[in-house]
Amino acid sequence: DQQVKQNSPSLSVQEGRISILNCDYTNSMFDYFLWYKKYPAEGPTFLISISSIKDKNEDGRFTVFLNKSAKHLSLHIVPSQPGDSAVYFCAAGYTGTASKLTFGTGTRLQVTL
Amino acid sequence: GAVVSQHPSRVICKSGTSVKIECRSLDFQATTMFWYRQFPKKSLMLMATSNEGSKATYEQGVEKDKFLINHASLTLSTLTVTSAHPEDSSFYICSALASGRAPDTQYFGPGTRLTVL
Repeated sequence: DQQVKQNSPSLSVQEGRISILNCDYTNSMFDYFLWYKKYPAEGPTFLISISSIKDKNEDGRFTVFLNKSAKHLSLHIVPSQPGDSAVYFCAAGYTGTASKLTFGTGTRLQVTL
Repeated sequence: GAVVSQHPSRVICKSGTSVKIECRSLDFQATTMFWYRQFPKKSLMLMATSNEGSKATYEQGVEKDKFLINHASLTLSTLTVTSAHPEDSSFYICSALASGRAPDTQYFGPGTRLTVL
């Protein structure tokens, strides 16, 4: 049972344009969400997070939007840069569980010149 | 930023042998570490939660006698894959939760590629 889903396995975006990565979840108990970036043969690196009391969090070029009623979150990268090419995982967790995270299957972003 | 290391980065072993993977938090203390497993083109699957000084908590379906976890200090957790078989071949990643910090400060190691022949 995949509680966190990223339905797009890959995405190609031109440099300078907006990249939008989507994530859906099924467990309504989740109350915080994170996005990680991962290069091959490396561990994920934290990008940005959002708690369920917010619907938007912004950090530089990265913005995460949360729609609790739809159980959907998205990561916007503006403007996209070639160095953003990587696999992006969304993850979800809930307080009281020692920060256990459930990861999505990942979306491979390719930013082209 | 916080750094988590894993050793070895890759290991090839014969079927039936045991392999130990180390996870270290280099510049912070971590009372909690996590062990994940990733199959090709799949998500990271949490295997177990490792707490310093106590027994690890395993996720459903993970054999605790096969995947031995020891968290002997605030900076080191080890995962031992006992009597490894080819189906145990995978990418194993650990993470460390910085003590006293927010839940989103879970720092990941670079991973260990295990290949069992």
